[in-house]
Amino acid sequence: DVKVTQSSRYLVKRTGEKVFLECVQDMDHENMFWYRQDPGLGLRLIYFSYDVKMKEKGDIPEGYSVSREKKERFSLILESASTNQTSMYLCASSLLFAGDVYSNQPQHFGDGTRLSIL
Amino acid sequence: RKEVEQDPGPFNVPEGATVAFNCTYSNSASQSFFWYRQDCRKEPKLLMSVYSSGNEDGRFTAQLNRASQYISLLIRDSKLSDSATYLCVVSYNTDKLIFGTGTRLQVFP
Repeated sequence: DVKVTQSSRYLVKRTGEKVFLECVQDMDHENMFWYRQDPGLGLRLIYFSYDVKMKEKGDIPEGYSVSREKKERFSLILESASTNQTSMYLCASSLLFAGDVYSNQPQHFGDGTRLSIL
Repeated sequence: RKEVEQDPGPFNVPEGATVAFNCTYSNSASQSFFWYRQDCRKEPKLLMSVYSSGNEDGRFTAQLNRASQYISLLIRDSKLSDSATYLCVVSYNTDKLIFGTGTRLQVFP
């Protein structure tokens, strides 16, 4: 079974702090993703990475950065936390898309980190 | 217009009922389709992929209608444990998935 582990289930930080959210997967997946989930808005992609040191912006990258120094680990960084970044953050991983319509790989999610910025 | 649209519900149904959810997508280039299930305060988990010919997994049946750009999920003989939010997901042959906001199902005794 795929295991995606996020470092914290609940986190409380203050406005202006630099916040690190860590995610580790144990299935040698190429792709890793960071989402946030808010009521009524669903899951929105912040950043994703398809290889070590590679990253691409998702739909809402502003105020965030990411780091992928090792294949199994993908970190999300809030450079200067603000109250509108209070949310549920979900990390996911998947195998690389192989270009075949039947081979889009499902994503496997971690338990999520509920982050509150005060 | 959202890329993936779902009725948010909630759908409140008694145990044993049959319930169906629809989901519409706006991009005709969409190629891959999934249903995910998310329990309250938990992470989304893959329920099933949706293939062009339709597919079934036990009490769950998924259908795809490319002409009308919608996918459906049918749940037969609903159980209390089916209570969850069901997320419709599409992809355009890339590694990125586009998630709908989900349809909430509540099964009551």
